[in-house]
Amino acid sequence: KAGVTQTPRYLIKTRGQQVTLSCSPISGHRSVSWYQQTPGQGLQFLFEYFSETQRNKGNFPGRFSGRQFSNSRSEMNVSTLELGDSALYLCASSFLAGVNTGELFFGEGSRLTVL
Amino acid sequence: AQTVTQSQPEMSVQEAETVTLSCTYDTSESDYYLFWYKQPPSRQMILVIRQEAYKQQNATENRFSVNFQKAAKSFSLKISDSQLGDAAMYFCAYRRNFGNEKLTFGTGTRLTIIP
Repeated sequence: KAGVTQTPRYLIKTRGQQVTLSCSPISGHRSVSWYQQTPGQGLQFLFEYFSETQRNKGNFPGRFSGRQFSNSRSEMNVSTLELGDSALYLCASSFLAGVNTGELFFGEGSRLTVL
Repeated sequence: AQTVTQSQPEMSVQEAETVTLSCTYDTSESDYYLFWYKQPPSRQMILVIRQEAYKQQNATENRFSVNFQKAAKSFSLKISDSQLGDAAMYFCAYRRNFGNEKLTFGTGTRLTIIP
């Protein structure tokens, strides 16, 4: 069974640009969450989607947005990039219909560098 | 708000020995999950062990076990017979048992295995 797949793995952008990251959850998983990981702030929750609806949102500015498609794949977008947006962005999926063990399954992440 | 505290930024242990990583958390909820995740240098977050708050029995997964003290809000991880492959960042995490709840992570403990 394939795990959580994130693309791209690495990317470099310049300040002011925008970026879109993609996440394909484990087959059958309906919930997708996004986390930002930085050395200074650690792991911080961005948002969570379930059945194409954002159900929960962390404390990030509106430049950070996301969406989920009908096949549960998710994208997150960061507009007007700032140097501080450099981070590892982790996607996680969970909730096989009817089974909720509480755990999240993580992808390998997308490493974003903003110059 | 829930918080998770890992007071040991770094730990080291001799190969084949036992090491305990500490974690405390703060919550007013009664129904929640606790997790230990491992993030090796390859950076994919992998679940090590999970504990449901309503279960008094401590979880065990092969060489990994926890000491869950609900009243003290403590959740330590014991690794027995440490192996070189155990070297990684270990994150303690909390999640309320509700569909859209986020994971709240501690700051992590970097574990080094000494051959």
